[in-house]
Amino acid sequence: SQQGEEDPQALSIQEGENATMNCSYKTSINNLQWYRQNSGRGLVHLILIRSNEREKHSGRLRVTLDTSKKSSSLLITASRAADTASYFCATGGFSPFSGGYNKLIFGAGTRLAVHP
Amino acid sequence: DTAVSQTPKYLVTQMGNDKSIKCEQNLGHDTMYWYKQDSKKFLKIMFSYNNKELIINETVPNRFSPKSPDKAHLNLHINSLELGDSAVYFCASSQAVGSSYEQYFGPGTRLTVT
Repeated sequence: SQQGEEDPQALSIQEGENATMNCSYKTSINNLQWYRQNSGRGLVHLILIRSNEREKHSGRLRVTLDTSKKSSSLLITASRAADTASYFCATGGFSPFSGGYNKLIFGAGTRLAVHP
Repeated sequence: DTAVSQTPKYLVTQMGNDKSIKCEQNLGHDTMYWYKQDSKKFLKIMFSYNNKELIINETVPNRFSPKSPDKAHLNLHINSLELGDSAVYFCASSQAVGSSYEQYFGPGTRLTVT
Protein backbone atom coordinates (compact mmCIF):
# COMPACT_ATOMS: atom_id res chain seq x y z
CA SER A 1 0.00 0.00 0.00
CA GLN A 2 1.14 3.52 -0.70
CA GLN A 3 -0.70 4.86 2.31
CA GLY A 4 1.06 7.46 4.38
CA GLU A 5 1.64 6.56 7.98
CA GLU A 6 1.84 9.23 10.62
CA ASP A 7 3.94 8.96 13.72
CA PRO A 8 3.23 9.30 16.58
CA GLN A 9 -0.42 8.30 16.68
CA ALA A 10 -0.98 10.71 19.54
CA LEU A 11 0.98 13.63 20.96
CA SER A 12 0.29 15.63 24.10
CA ILE A 13 2.19 18.84 24.81
CA GLN A 14 1.92 22.10 26.73
CA GLU A 15 1.14 25.43 25.12
CA GLY A 16 4.23 27.12 23.84
CA GLU A 17 6.06 23.89 23.07
CA ASN A 18 6.83 22.71 19.58
CA ALA A 19 5.03 19.73 18.06
CA THR A 20 6.61 17.47 15.47
CA MET A 21 4.68 14.91 13.49
CA ASN A 22 6.17 12.53 10.97
CA CYS A 23 4.82 10.85 7.88
CA SER A 24 6.31 7.95 5.95
CA TYR A 25 5.20 6.61 2.60
CA LYS A 26 6.20 3.77 0.34
CA THR A 27 6.38 4.82 -3.29
CA SER A 28 7.60 7.76 -5.34
CA ILE A 29 5.50 10.89 -5.09
CA ASN A 30 5.05 14.16 -6.95
CA ASN A 31 3.99 16.03 -3.86
CA LEU A 32 2.78 15.56 -0.31
CA GLN A 33 0.05 17.46 1.48
CA TRP A 34 -0.73 18.03 5.15
CA TYR A 35 -4.25 18.54 6.47
CA ARG A 36 -5.74 19.37 9.86
CA GLN A 37 -9.02 18.05 11.21
CA ASN A 38 -10.64 19.58 14.25
CA SER A 39 -12.95 17.32 16.20
CA GLY A 40 -16.25 16.86 14.39
CA ARG A 41 -15.17 18.92 11.39
CA GLY A 42 -13.90 18.38 7.89
CA LEU A 43 -10.25 18.41 6.89
CA VAL A 44 -8.52 21.69 6.17
CA HIS A 45 -5.55 21.92 3.85
CA LEU A 46 -2.40 23.25 5.51
CA ILE A 47 0.46 22.98 3.09
CA LEU A 48 1.62 21.21 -0.06
CA ILE A 49 5.26 20.40 -0.65
CA ARG A 50 6.51 19.23 -4.03
CA SER A 51 9.00 16.43 -4.50
CA ASN A 52 11.71 18.86 -5.60
CA GLU A 53 11.33 20.93 -2.43
CA ARG A 54 13.02 20.09 0.85
CA GLU A 55 11.38 22.55 3.18
CA LYS A 56 8.41 24.85 3.21
CA HIS A 57 7.08 27.34 5.74
CA SER A 58 3.65 28.77 6.40
CA GLY A 59 3.28 30.88 9.52
CA ARG A 60 4.11 28.66 12.49
CA LEU A 61 4.19 25.57 10.29
CA ARG A 62 7.34 24.08 8.84
CA VAL A 63 7.22 21.05 6.59
CA THR A 64 10.22 19.07 5.45
CA LEU A 65 10.39 16.37 2.82
CA ASP A 66 13.11 13.76 2.40
CA THR A 67 12.36 11.79 -0.73
CA SER A 68 15.37 9.51 -0.20
CA LYS A 69 13.88 8.36 3.09
CA LYS A 70 10.31 8.65 1.85
CA SER A 71 9.36 10.75 4.83
CA SER A 72 8.01 14.15 5.74
CA SER A 73 7.65 16.04 8.97
CA LEU A 74 5.31 18.76 10.13
CA LEU A 75 6.57 21.08 12.84
CA ILE A 76 4.23 23.44 14.65
CA THR A 77 6.16 26.00 16.62
CA ALA A 78 4.93 27.78 19.76
CA SER A 79 1.80 25.63 19.87
CA ARG A 80 -1.52 26.96 21.09
CA ALA A 81 -4.55 25.24 22.55
CA ALA A 82 -6.32 25.99 19.27
CA ASP A 83 -3.82 23.72 17.47
CA THR A 84 -5.47 20.72 19.15
CA ALA A 85 -6.61 18.58 16.23
CA SER A 86 -5.69 15.55 14.14
CA TYR A 87 -3.07 16.06 11.47
CA PHE A 88 -2.95 13.97 8.31
CA CYS A 89 -0.45 13.63 5.54
CA ALA A 90 -1.65 12.69 2.08
CA THR A 91 0.27 11.46 -0.93
CA GLY A 92 -0.77 11.01 -4.52
CA GLY A 93 -1.20 7.53 -5.86
CA PHE A 94 -2.69 5.46 -8.60
CA SER A 95 -5.03 2.59 -8.20
CA PRO A 96 -6.55 0.15 -10.69
CA PHE A 97 -9.89 1.76 -9.96
CA SER A 98 -8.93 5.32 -10.72
CA GLY A 99 -8.58 5.10 -14.48
CA GLY A 100 -5.04 6.40 -14.35
CA TYR A 101 -5.97 9.43 -12.31
CA ASN A 102 -4.00 10.34 -9.24
CA LYS A 103 -5.88 10.18 -5.97
CA LEU A 104 -4.89 11.34 -2.51
CA ILE A 105 -4.14 8.60 -0.01
CA PHE A 106 -4.44 9.61 3.62
CA GLY A 107 -2.95 8.06 6.71
CA ALA A 108 -4.73 7.64 10.03
CA GLY A 109 -3.34 10.90 11.36
CA THR A 110 -1.62 12.14 14.50
CA ARG A 111 -3.89 13.35 17.28
CA LEU A 112 -2.33 16.43 18.84
CA ALA A 113 -3.50 17.73 22.20
CA VAL A 114 -2.14 21.09 23.35
CA HIS A 115 -2.81 21.82 27.01
CA PRO A 116 -3.07 25.39 28.31
CA ASP B 1 -20.00 31.70 2.61
CA THR B 2 -19.78 27.93 2.94
CA ALA B 3 -17.42 26.48 0.34
CA VAL B 4 -18.43 22.82 0.52
CA SER B 5 -21.67 21.96 2.27
CA GLN B 6 -23.27 18.62 3.06
CA THR B 7 -26.68 17.62 4.26
CA PRO B 8 -27.62 16.15 6.58
CA LYS B 9 -24.92 16.52 9.24
CA TYR B 10 -26.25 13.56 11.19
CA LEU B 11 -28.16 10.56 9.91
CA VAL B 12 -29.45 7.78 12.14
CA THR B 13 -31.29 4.98 10.44
CA GLN B 14 -32.03 1.28 10.66
CA MET B 15 -30.48 -1.57 8.76
CA GLY B 16 -32.03 -2.19 5.40
CA ASN B 17 -33.12 1.39 4.82
CA ASP B 18 -32.07 3.55 1.86
CA LYS B 19 -30.63 7.01 2.46
CA SER B 20 -29.02 9.86 0.56
CA ILE B 21 -26.41 12.47 1.39
CA LYS B 22 -26.15 15.66 -0.62
CA CYS B 23 -23.11 17.80 -1.31
CA GLU B 24 -22.70 21.18 -2.96
CA GLN B 25 -19.64 23.30 -3.61
CA ASN B 26 -19.63 26.97 -4.59
CA LEU B 27 -15.94 27.18 -5.42
CA GLY B 28 -16.33 26.62 -9.15
CA HIS B 29 -14.24 23.47 -8.91
CA ASP B 30 -14.32 20.79 -11.58
CA THR B 31 -13.68 17.78 -9.37
CA MET B 32 -15.61 16.38 -6.42
CA TYR B 33 -15.05 13.41 -4.13
CA TRP B 34 -16.70 11.19 -1.57
CA TYR B 35 -14.59 9.88 1.30
CA LYS B 36 -15.42 7.53 4.15
CA GLN B 37 -13.74 7.99 7.53
CA ASP B 38 -13.98 5.00 9.82
CA SER B 39 -13.83 4.88 13.60
CA LYS B 40 -10.03 4.68 13.50
CA LYS B 41 -9.93 7.93 11.52
CA PHE B 42 -8.71 6.33 8.30
CA LEU B 43 -9.96 8.43 5.42
CA LYS B 44 -10.54 6.46 2.25
CA ILE B 45 -11.68 7.70 -1.13
CA MET B 46 -14.84 6.15 -2.52
CA PHE B 47 -15.65 8.06 -5.69
CA SER B 48 -14.54 11.04 -7.69
CA TYR B 49 -16.29 12.99 -10.42
CA ASN B 50 -14.76 15.42 -12.85
CA ASN B 51 -17.20 17.67 -14.70
CA LYS B 52 -20.02 15.26 -13.92
CA GLU B 53 -18.04 12.26 -15.17
CA LEU B 54 -17.16 9.40 -12.82
CA ILE B 55 -13.39 9.00 -12.84
CA ILE B 56 -12.58 7.15 -9.64
CA ASN B 57 -14.65 4.26 -8.40
CA GLU B 58 -12.91 2.39 -5.63
CA THR B 59 -13.88 -1.05 -4.38
CA VAL B 60 -17.11 0.15 -2.88
CA PRO B 61 -20.19 -2.12 -2.64
CA ASN B 62 -22.63 -1.38 -5.42
CA ARG B 63 -25.18 -0.44 -2.76
CA PHE B 64 -23.42 2.92 -2.92
CA SER B 65 -24.35 4.96 -5.96
CA PRO B 66 -23.03 8.48 -6.53
CA LYS B 67 -24.72 10.94 -8.81
CA SER B 68 -23.55 14.29 -10.10
CA PRO B 69 -26.34 16.34 -11.68
CA ASP B 70 -23.90 19.17 -12.37
CA LYS B 71 -20.33 19.91 -11.45
CA ALA B 72 -21.34 21.80 -8.32
CA HIS B 73 -23.27 18.90 -6.84
CA LEU B 74 -22.39 15.35 -5.90
CA ASN B 75 -24.86 13.15 -4.08
CA LEU B 76 -24.43 9.74 -2.53
CA HIS B 77 -27.26 7.24 -2.31
CA ILE B 78 -26.90 4.15 -0.19
CA ASN B 79 -29.25 1.19 -0.52
CA SER B 80 -29.92 -1.53 2.03
CA LEU B 81 -27.84 0.03 4.75
CA GLU B 82 -25.69 -2.26 6.89
CA LEU B 83 -24.13 -1.82 10.32
CA GLY B 84 -20.69 -1.57 8.72
CA ASP B 85 -21.75 1.51 6.79
CA SER B 86 -21.68 3.50 10.00
CA ALA B 87 -18.98 6.13 9.52
CA VAL B 88 -18.45 9.76 8.73
CA TYR B 89 -18.79 10.56 5.04
CA PHE B 90 -16.98 13.58 3.66
CA CYS B 91 -17.52 15.36 0.42
CA ALA B 92 -14.59 17.31 -1.02
CA SER B 93 -13.76 19.30 -4.11
CA SER B 94 -10.64 20.44 -5.93
CA GLN B 95 -9.94 22.78 -8.78
CA ALA B 96 -9.05 19.93 -11.10
CA VAL B 97 -8.18 16.26 -11.17
CA GLY B 98 -4.97 15.02 -9.61
CA SER B 99 -3.12 14.92 -6.34
CA SER B 100 -1.37 18.25 -7.01
CA TYR B 101 -4.47 20.18 -6.06
CA GLU B 102 -5.54 20.92 -2.53
CA GLN B 103 -8.90 19.55 -1.60
CA TYR B 104 -11.64 21.41 0.22
CA PHE B 105 -13.72 19.29 2.55
CA GLY B 106 -17.27 19.58 3.72
CA PRO B 107 -18.18 19.26 7.41
CA GLY B 108 -19.06 15.59 7.11
CA THR B 109 -22.18 13.48 7.58
CA ARG B 110 -22.12 11.13 10.53
CA LEU B 111 -24.11 8.06 9.54
CA THR B 112 -25.20 5.67 12.26
CA VAL B 113 -26.90 2.44 11.26
CA THR B 114 -28.71 0.60 14.04
